[in-house]
Amino acid sequence: GAVVSQHPSWVICKSGTSVKIECRSLDFQATTMFWYRQFPKQSLMLMATSNEGSKATYEQGVEKDKFLINHASLTLSTLTVTSAHPEDSSFYICSARLAGPNEKLFFGSGTQLSVL
Amino acid sequence: GQQLNQSPQSMFIQEGEDVSMNCTSSSIFNTWLWYKQDPGEGPVLLIALYKAGELTSNGRLTAQFGITRKDSFLNISASIPSDVGIYFCAGRRLLRSQGNLIFGKGTKLSVKP
Repeated sequence: GAVVSQHPSWVICKSGTSVKIECRSLDFQATTMFWYRQFPKQSLMLMATSNEGSKATYEQGVEKDKFLINHASLTLSTLTVTSAHPEDSSFYICSARLAGPNEKLFFGSGTQLSVL
Repeated sequence: GQQLNQSPQSMFIQEGEDVSMNCTSSSIFNTWLWYKQDPGEGPVLLIALYKAGELTSNGRLTAQFGITRKDSFLNISASIPSDVGIYFCAGRRLLRSQGNLIFGKGTKLSVKP
């Protein structure tokens, strides 16, 4: 299947700093990527839809100024957690849509963020 | 946001047993996807379904797109320890304007050797 690369796999940062997470589709172009947050033993919670060349669409309750999304190319979307706080600690996962008559969604391997 | 009804929530089975889990929705779907997630990893696509009644296999895994378009099931035959993980269903409603993929809450599978 198609490959989606997500980096870093884990990151520890101090409270108040910003963290950038990258999501790359390695062997296909993705006009649409998605960012999720997952708490332990829970399902994926969609945070935002990242659209290449345009502004991201955020889900209700997700602060767009807190979670900055940039989809500058057809193979790269980034999520920046700004002024991180301990409550932002979580597992963040991206996915990329493989468009076509039989659409598929491929996920990155996730980023575990720990804010001290 | 809206979620699918996925059941069971968890399963504890003996190695070699067959497993069945399903997802249901009150809306009509045109796509069903089944994923497996290992701890600390992103979900991995197992099977994709696009037509009502479609039955697709991937090794010991078999999934079907329900005739009513409102449900799908995943079966795992002759389970082995490496089948342990959380299985998620995901579906897209009939009209794309009705949003992105919706995920079930997952089925946690435990296999006793």
